[in-house]
Amino acid sequence: LAKTTQPISMDSYEGQEVNITCSHNNIATNDYITWYQQFPSQGPRFIIQGYKTKVTNEVASLFIPADRKSSTLSLPRVSLSDTAVYYCLVAVYGQNFVFGPGTRLSVLP
Amino acid sequence: DTEVTQTPKHLVMGMTNKKSLKCEQHMGHRAMYWYKQKAKKPPELMFVYSYEKLSINESVPSRFSPECPNSSLLNLHLHALQPEDSALYLCASSQERSGQGGSTQYFGPGTRLLVL
Repeated sequence: LAKTTQPISMDSYEGQEVNITCSHNNIATNDYITWYQQFPSQGPRFIIQGYKTKVTNEVASLFIPADRKSSTLSLPRVSLSDTAVYYCLVAVYGQNFVFGPGTRLSVLP
Repeated sequence: DTEVTQTPKHLVMGMTNKKSLKCEQHMGHRAMYWYKQKAKKPPELMFVYSYEKLSINESVPSRFSPECPNSSLLNLHLHALQPEDSALYLCASSQERSGQGGSTQYFGPGTRLLVL
């Protein structure tokens, strides 16, 4: 299984850009990288998914270097409501998601 | 529509009770999942159903019994649970088993279970 490593926690202030980096050194050729957001007592919510280079949607951007051994989730201009746990997952071909401990993001006023 | 619904939202049960958790999706997904999540921990996979057949059981105790009556429904039957089974139980679905072409799992809101 491709294991992921993320910072356990991060602090930011409202209006700042937040970048959360995830390491996945043994990612396989067919693996995609997926990020989820989870608020307390709620199910994880899909944020963004990518395979290589850069992906952008209405809430975030995902940067993946050529070697794909890491990825960076970028949240532009965070607000207090972005305080949550963010999980990086690598979809292993033929197997299933294994959630790592995630990154607990605290956005301060 | 990317909604997965779960009922009930909250459940309190004694160790001798029998109860069931229900999950439903109408996205035409063929893979459905049960996860267990303890406080301040990541979700842990319990079961995977693919095309209505149990494909993965992550060594879950037999007091948890999953059932997939059809492609839209997933149940988790609970019997003789222990207090340490208290947790948030999450259901998810995806178009196919995750890992094949980057399928995305969509999660329900969860059922908060308390075993007394």
